[in-house]
Amino acid sequence: KAGVTQTPRYLIKTRGQQVTLSCSPISGHRSVSWYQQTPGQGLQFLFEYFSETQRNKGNFPGRFSGRQFSNSRSEMNVSTLELGDSALYLCASFPGPGQGAYGYTFGSGTRLTVV
Amino acid sequence: TQLLEQSPQFLSIQEGENLTVYCNSSSVFSSLQWYRQEPGEGPVLLVTVVTGGEVKKLKRLTFQFGDARKDSSLHITAAQTGDTGLYLCAGFADNNAGNMLTFGGGTRLMVKP
Repeated sequence: KAGVTQTPRYLIKTRGQQVTLSCSPISGHRSVSWYQQTPGQGLQFLFEYFSETQRNKGNFPGRFSGRQFSNSRSEMNVSTLELGDSALYLCASFPGPGQGAYGYTFGSGTRLTVV
Repeated sequence: TQLLEQSPQFLSIQEGENLTVYCNSSSVFSSLQWYRQEPGEGPVLLVTVVTGGEVKKLKRLTFQFGDARKDSSLHITAAQTGDTGLYLCAGFADNNAGNMLTFGGGTRLMVKP
């Protein structure tokens, strides 16, 4: 079956702009999590969604937001972009709450560069 | 806040050598997961250990979960150039606030021919 699909793969944006990233989970998976990966901070948790509800949120400013649709697809939005938002944004899916204990399936990520 | 400390950060060895990567925390996790990540790609799950004291083998890779479920290790025997990559440990927590995977800082392994 198809893996986790993230679009776009690459993005270049200017400071102050906003950006929307998309994630389609594995078919049948209803939980989606987002992570930010930078060389300095490593992988940091952004959000977790299940059944269109945000269940958990990491320690990021309010400029970072997300949502999940009824078909389990998820989007995250970053407003008023800053240079420090340049990162690889990763989406992962798993069947449902608690089942992530057995492993997450990650997409290839969206590489965001803010200039 | 749950933290995972991974060591070493960098490792450069010759093909055929053995190595061990450590992952330590003061917190208890429901499971400990190991991932490998190639440049420009997402992490790929290698193994999940769930039970304290559990040992899993994947060909030349041996994974161990500490008895108290706070630490783990990855041992590679007779490393090959194809083992080069970023290895990440991650602890899974499931509580009323939701699920979360906490990652260690990663070990960048380079295996030279």
